[in-house]
Amino acid sequence: QKEVEQNSGPLSVPEGAIASLNCTYSDRGSQSFFWYRQYSGKSPELIMSIYSNGDKEDGRFTAQLNKASQYVSLLIRDSQPSDSATYLCAANQAGTALIFGKGTTLSVSS
Amino acid sequence: EAGVAQSPRYKIIEKRQSVAFWCNPISGHATLYWYQQILGQGPKLLIQFQNNGVVDDSQLPKDRFSAERLKGVDSTLKIQPAKLEDSAVYLCASSSGQFRNYGYTFGSGTRLTVV
Repeated sequence: QKEVEQNSGPLSVPEGAIASLNCTYSDRGSQSFFWYRQYSGKSPELIMSIYSNGDKEDGRFTAQLNKASQYVSLLIRDSQPSDSATYLCAANQAGTALIFGKGTTLSVSS
Repeated sequence: EAGVAQSPRYKIIEKRQSVAFWCNPISGHATLYWYQQILGQGPKLLIQFQNNGVVDDSQLPKDRFSAERLKGVDSTLKIQPAKLEDSAVYLCASSSGQFRNYGYTFGSGTRLTVV
């Protein structure tokens, strides 16, 4: 059974702090990894994708991938109250559907 | 470009009734997915289409769920008969051949409540 595991949280951080979200996956054949943000009552929206070991930065967001440890993370710098949402980690092999984790709820307090 | 269209947005039915959901993907997207998201959980794949062929329906409860994608464009998902545990948001997503770079685009979802 291919699985993606996330701590459900909630993760609470003060405004301006760094939020760190983590994810592990069971399928060593996974090639592509995605972070989605989902606001309450809305559908998931893609934040970042990562395919190679190391870091990938996009604005305030940094995705990190370590295939040896089967670990993916998302760092959010200068967290804002508008970042409060559920963050979904997903993984797949080429041509197959994404497998999602249960999501981590982030709460940013002002 | 227009996004993934889904209808209806909300549906309330009684158990043992039937219901159908409709999805129109982004123009030109060959791959279409239906996911079920139960409150507090991540989306779970029900079925994946490539054009009008099924790629993966291993998690579709085939005794009550069915899906089709005629002409390789829009798709319908049907539940008959519905059970209380089918209460969830049903998400449709599509992707192009450049899936690896862009991931999925989700529709707004259909929230189903079975009473």
